[in-house]
Amino acid sequence: DVVMTQSPLSLPVTLGQPASISCRSSQGLIYSDGNTYLNWFQQRPGQSPRRLIHKVFNRDSGVPDRFSGSGSGTDFTLIISRVEAEDVGVYYCMQGTHWPFSFGGGTKVEIK
Amino acid sequence: QVQLQESGPGLVKPSETLSLTCTVSGGSITDYYWSWMRQSPGKGLECIGYIYHSGDIAYNPSLKSRVTMSMDTSKSQFSLKLTSVTSADTAVYYCARTTRQPEFWGPGILVTVSS
Repeated sequence: DVVMTQSPLSLPVTLGQPASISCRSSQGLIYSDGNTYLNWFQQRPGQSPRRLIHKVFNRDSGVPDRFSGSGSGTDFTLIISRVEAEDVGVYYCMQGTHWPFSFGGGTKVEIK
Repeated sequence: QVQLQESGPGLVKPSETLSLTCTVSGGSITDYYWSWMRQSPGKGLECIGYIYHSGDIAYNPSLKSRVTMSMDTSKSQFSLKLTSVTSADTAVYYCARTTRQPEFWGPGILVTVSS
């Protein structure tokens, strides 16, 4: 199975400052159709995960443009350019290339 | 906007069968693949399996011997059965639309395995 490793585990950030979350997969994530199925989710307390980014860098409708995704191969990054109070929560990467699909362990973003 | 809602018992006894249903509204159930996921403190987020109306189904190998998924297109519902449950199956269970990049999720249902 593909193991998704996220870092850091916890990320205290000052309001207005950037935040960066790393996700590394144990195998490359390019599917046979040429797409790389790497997603990023935000989970606020008491809520279900909300998809922010799909296929590495495609931002979902309604997601603020301060969120961006990048990467290739086995290394991926989610960046929040200027953290706002509503960004507090746990962020997960997920690979949808190799079955069974798998999630990272999560990164908790909190305000300093 | 598509909406998903999980339903079923919140408490299941050890060794019994967990049965959940996901009801889809605001869109056609035959247009997409549908997934079940779960989230527990111990194992994090885990993909249980997915189903398509044509009969294409896949189960996570770690659960394959205990899982069955089905779909009732006339009711816009798909279901999950997990047999021989233990405390390790205590989790919040989610249904979601699509598989490789799950876009819409239900609110989740907490299922506790306890006698």
